[in-house]
Amino acid sequence: GQQLNQSPQSMFIQEGEDVSMNCTSSSIFNTWLWYKQDPGEGPVLLIALYKAGELTSNGRLTAQFGITRKDSFLNISASIPSDVGIYFCAGRVDNQGGKLIFGQGTELSVKP
Amino acid sequence: KAGVTQTPRYLIKTRGQQVTLSCSPISGHRSVSWYQQTPGQGLQFLFEYFSETQRNKGNFPGRFSGRQFSNSRSEMNVSTLELGDSALYLCASSKTGGAGANVLTFGAGSRLTVL
Repeated sequence: GQQLNQSPQSMFIQEGEDVSMNCTSSSIFNTWLWYKQDPGEGPVLLIALYKAGELTSNGRLTAQFGITRKDSFLNISASIPSDVGIYFCAGRVDNQGGKLIFGQGTELSVKP
Repeated sequence: KAGVTQTPRYLIKTRGQQVTLSCSPISGHRSVSWYQQTPGQGLQFLFEYFSETQRNKGNFPGRFSGRQFSNSRSEMNVSTLELGDSALYLCASSKTGGAGANVLTFGAGSRLTVL
């Protein structure tokens, strides 16, 4: 079945540093999404990408939809303590509406 | 605008019992999807409902079932509970047309513990 490989699994960084994480797949996806999950909450959408090569920003976050449609990355610039949480990538094939394939998550810890 | 509401937030059951979880989507969202989240398997798709019909289904046994009502509210049921069913069950709703279509908004989840 379709799988997403997300890396790294965890990151420990200093406040103010930039962060990069990525997802790769052996399958093509037509939509890439990045979510953040805080303890005790559901995932919250950060960025949605719909076209190969698309580069989209949301504040300090930037994500790109890989040109092969098999990968995506998320960058966080100038990290702050509230960036702590688990970040998930997710991919979707067009005709699969609510069905997302999720990566295993990247747990981010930020040291003030 | 109210978000996705899931009830109950926490529950404890014993093996062999059954459980029903409820999800109220965002007003105007007609698609509801369910996911199971565990430390070992991560987030896995269970099923999606639209217009009271199951539109997509993941690879879970028949003990997992769901339904959607005419007001788009959804329930999922797990029968004959097993220890491995302990998980956070997440519901997500989405619009099916227009701007923001198919963007899933998740609820806070129902945490099920099976003893």
